[in-house]
Amino acid sequence: NAGVTQTPKFQVLKTGQSMTLQCAQDMNHEYMSWYRQDPGMGLRLIHYSVGAGITDQGEVPNGYNVSRSTTEDFPLRLLSAAPSQTSVYFCASRAGTDYNEQFFGPGTRLTVL
Amino acid sequence: ILNVEQSPQSLHVQEGDSTNFTCSFPSSNFYALHWYRWETAKSPEALFVMTLNGDEKKKGRISATLNTKEGYSYLYIKGSQPEDSATYLCASHRGGAQKLVFGQGTRLTINP
Repeated sequence: NAGVTQTPKFQVLKTGQSMTLQCAQDMNHEYMSWYRQDPGMGLRLIHYSVGAGITDQGEVPNGYNVSRSTTEDFPLRLLSAAPSQTSVYFCASRAGTDYNEQFFGPGTRLTVL
Repeated sequence: ILNVEQSPQSLHVQEGDSTNFTCSFPSSNFYALHWYRWETAKSPEALFVMTLNGDEKKKGRISATLNTKEGYSYLYIKGSQPEDSATYLCASHRGGAQKLVFGQGTRLTINP
């Protein structure tokens, strides 16, 4: 199993550009989520999904969209990038219950100029 | 407590010493408490998922306890080694089981 994969690993955008961060998992996990990691802020939840076709907002959803058309994929879209979105983004997945550990992807480092 | 809080924020420990740090979380509507180990330039890796008051979990030299009534968990490392240097994160389910909220982490450095 590849586990949780993310692409790209690094990305530089200009303010106003759009892009999609890709996340895929091959563990048949129902639950997937996106976090951003900023210095001194820990991991903050952006959006999450409890299954294909179901998504919901986390703590910091503004400026981001998600969709979950398949169990395996959970892309994160930045519609109009802003410097405040410069961060490291982690995708995670876990099996359905709350008591299962989460598996994290390797992260995407995004810089918005 | 509305947020998940960890203390201390950073810790320097001599190799061979034992250490511990704290995670505080909202005790109401508790679902589960997670501990993760996060090495620099890597992804967080799960250490423990704890659900019951009084739970104790152990993995090698690392162990954790849970008090859901007062809303805290302790992580212990016995006989610290340089490879234990990492940031240790805790996370609690809040506002419904799906949202896992993380603390800011405790950055542990083991001095050889």
